[in-house]
Amino acid sequence: SYVLTQPPSVSVAPGQTARITCGGNNIGSKSVHWYQQKPGQAPVLVVYDDSDRPSGIPERFSGSNSGNTATLTISRVEAGDEADYYCQVWDSSSDQVVFGGGTKLTVL
Amino acid sequence: EVQLVESGGGLVKPGGSLRLSCVASGFTFSSYSMNWVRQAPGKGLEWVSFISSTSSYIYYADSVKGRFTISRDNAKNSLYLQMSSLRAEDTAVYYCARDGGYYDLDYWGQGALVTVSS
Repeated sequence: SYVLTQPPSVSVAPGQTARITCGGNNIGSKSVHWYQQKPGQAPVLVVYDDSDRPSGIPERFSGSNSGNTATLTISRVEAGDEADYYCQVWDSSSDQVVFGGGTKLTVL
Repeated sequence: EVQLVESGGGLVKPGGSLRLSCVASGFTFSSYSMNWVRQAPGKGLEWVSFISSTSSYIYYADSVKGRFTISRDNAKNSLYLQMSSLRAEDTAVYYCARDGGYYDLDYWGQGALVTVSS
């Protein structure tokens, strides 16, 4: 089955740029989605189809996808961005939704 | 406003059964595929099952195949997950989530806690 690999943790100072990666075999050929989850809350979609933002998501959140790595970039990081972030794809070979293991973003 | 409200969670013994429900509002439920996703305590997200808008396509994670059954009633704007032969490792918060059209999950419910323990 298809595997997505994320770093367990990323730390960044307020106002800086955070980059969270999601690795997968030829992931550039798939549509990647990103979710933010704060403690005790349901996940929220922040980027879909590699780089599109749902309405209400700040422009500070952006995504890219190429080769074997997709990246969620959060610019001008704020304390409120501290959360777990998950990448996700649809694996058509197995007809299954696949999530990455999640990355905890810490704002220093 | 899109709303998804799960119910039916609770404590069940190993080997037991439970049925989760998810009532949708604020959108045309019959036009959207739906999913169940779960999250064990302190763990990451795990997809459980997918059902297309007309129930023509149904998929399951390997971990629940043969034990869980997803279904929907478009007349009642409701999604269901029938869980049987439950195991301790099925303990999790179960979320229903709408498919946004790209196999993305654009709206989520608040979750229902299922605890499997003797």
